[in-house]
Amino acid sequence: GAVVSQHPSWVICKSGTSVKIECRSLDFQATTMFWYRQFPKQSLMLMATSNEGSKATYEQGVEKDKFLINHASLTLSTLTVTSAHPEDSSFYICSARVIGRAVESSYNEQFFGPGTRLTVL
Amino acid sequence: LAKTTQPISMDSYEGQEVNITCSHNNIATNDYITWYQQFPSQGPRFIIQGYKTKVTNEVASLFIPADRKSSTLSLPRVSLSDTAVYYCLVVTGANNLFFGTGTRLTVIP
Repeated sequence: GAVVSQHPSWVICKSGTSVKIECRSLDFQATTMFWYRQFPKQSLMLMATSNEGSKATYEQGVEKDKFLINHASLTLSTLTVTSAHPEDSSFYICSARVIGRAVESSYNEQFFGPGTRLTVL
Repeated sequence: LAKTTQPISMDSYEGQEVNITCSHNNIATNDYITWYQQFPSQGPRFIIQGYKTKVTNEVASLFIPADRKSSTLSLPRVSLSDTAVYYCLVVTGANNLFFGTGTRLTVIP
């Protein structure tokens, strides 16, 4: 299947600093990427939809000025957590939707990155 | 947006077949049923997707009755490495994915 990478895999930062997380589709192009957040023992929560060349669409309750998303190319989306605080500590996961590829058995297939563990001290 | 309901947790012994059932009473005509697997501290992995009747791949089978209000993921002969959270999602076209609580499967030696 298609491969999505994230960098870094984990990061520890001080409260008040900003952290950038990269999401790359390695062997395919993705006009749409998604960012999720997952707290311990909980399900994934969709934060925003990242569209190449346009502004991201944020889910209700997600602060767009705090979670900056840039999708500058068909293979890269970045999430910047600005002025991070301990409550932002979480597991951040991106996914990319496949385009221009014949996938016989799937109607809507997203490929997920390995996730980034953010800890804010 | 069709909501899904599935058991919070299940235990199974190694080598047994595991069936996880998901309810989606409000599924729409254009919706597909998709299952993902997630290991701790990893992103979800696509397992299988179907619209009706039965779908089988190298990993699992998906059974969907005629009314499509439920579906059952079947994992044959589970091993310890199948311990994970399994999510059932109802997907409409190219719309976004919304994950429910999932089923935490624990395989016991």
